[in-house]
Amino acid sequence: EAEVAQSPRYKITEKSQAVAFWCDPISGHATLYWYRQILGQGPELLVQFQDESVVDDSQLPKDRFSAERLKGVDSTLKIQPAELGDSAMYLCASSHTSGAKTYEQYFGPGTRLTVT
Amino acid sequence: GEDVEQSLFLSVREGDSSVINCTYTDSSSTYLYWYKQEPGAGLQLLTYIFSNMDMKQDQRLTVLLNKKDKHLSLRIADTQTGDSAIYFCAERPNQGGKLIFGQGTELSVKP
Repeated sequence: EAEVAQSPRYKITEKSQAVAFWCDPISGHATLYWYRQILGQGPELLVQFQDESVVDDSQLPKDRFSAERLKGVDSTLKIQPAELGDSAMYLCASSHTSGAKTYEQYFGPGTRLTVT
Repeated sequence: GEDVEQSLFLSVREGDSSVINCTYTDSSSTYLYWYKQEPGAGLQLLTYIFSNMDMKQDQRLTVLLNKKDKHLSLRIADTQTGDSAIYFCAERPNQGGKLIFGQGTELSVKP
């Protein structure tokens, strides 16, 4: 069964350092999402892509976060500089953009970020 | 606004039924979802229901939707210890594809 791949699974970084996360969606899924999940809470959307275009980045802290999906397949989320409050699980999800399966959104295993 | 609320904890005995409840605020939501998250893992899509339905059954899982009261529930029949996890309710507002999640309900199944 196809899965969303993410790496690394765990990342520890010092504040003010740069950190990057990678996501490879399920093959054929044109829509890709990055969510942030703070411990004890539900995930919240950071950015949504359709192919290589950003559809929604209204909740992305653009002063320090950036996201790209240059060829419309895999994606990278970057934080620079990292702050203590960025410690969280970063989850990538993907879905089809058209057809009957549009509403099924599948998540990867996540990257657990700890900022010290 | 968009908001999803769930109770935080539920404890049941193995073999009993579990019922996890959720309320949401956006009446335009087209789909409502249940996800399962085990410790340190991502979210597993369990089931979802279209807003024009009031019930959906999938093996041990039954989803009930009361659109008038904006209330969603997930019933797990014959709950097993492997069902111990955090269960998230989510709504999909009419515009865009993002999901709005509740805080999650931690289900503890005791042998």
